[in-house]
Amino acid sequence: GAVVSQHPSWVICKSGTSVKIECRSLDFQATTMFWYRQFPKQSLMLMATSNEGSKATYEQGVEKDKFLINHASLTLSTLTVTSAHPEDSSFYICSARGSLGEANYGYTFGSGTRLTVV
Amino acid sequence: AQKVTQAQTEISVVEKEDVTLDCVYETRDTTYYLFWYKQPPSGELVFLIRRNSFDEQNEISGRYSWNFQKSTSSFNFTITASQVVDSAVYFCALSEAHFGNEKLTFGTGTRLTIIP
Repeated sequence: GAVVSQHPSWVICKSGTSVKIECRSLDFQATTMFWYRQFPKQSLMLMATSNEGSKATYEQGVEKDKFLINHASLTLSTLTVTSAHPEDSSFYICSARGSLGEANYGYTFGSGTRLTVV
Repeated sequence: AQKVTQAQTEISVVEKEDVTLDCVYETRDTTYYLFWYKQPPSGELVFLIRRNSFDEQNEISGRYSWNFQKSTSSFNFTITASQVVDSAVYFCALSEAHFGNEKLTFGTGTRLTIIP
């Protein structure tokens, strides 16, 4: 079935540094990638949607200069948290969507990245 | 705009009891999809089911069953004979089907604890 590999699974970084999170679709072409953020005991909130080769579309209230999304190929999308601060500490999870018919009906989630900024 | 409401924040039941998780949704589209996901403590999302808006048949998969009622905009999830391994956060989600706006909107989740 469709698999999305997300790395790292957890990361601790110092305030002011940048962190890159990768999501790779292993056995299908991810034409669209969704990035979510989940604070403790809260729901998944969509941050942005990216289509391969185009600029990401950010949800209202999400700073595009802080959360840089690159979707340069059909199998890889990255989220870079720039100049991270403690309030950016959260669980980040990606979801890849290819054509219909894949497992999970087109939405395959990565295993998530727990970011802690100290 | 689409919206998903899971009014039950937390539920605790004793093992082997049945439990129903409620989900109510709002959408202006006539074609849409509804999902349920399970999120265990490890964090990954486990896909449970997808239902399209034209298929109101109830579905059963082992101890899991789903009741979709368009008249009340509800898509409830029942676990029969609950087990400790069912303890997790469960999310209901909605996506509209038209190209270019297929993002998933999640409910706030229901934390289910099964007491041994």
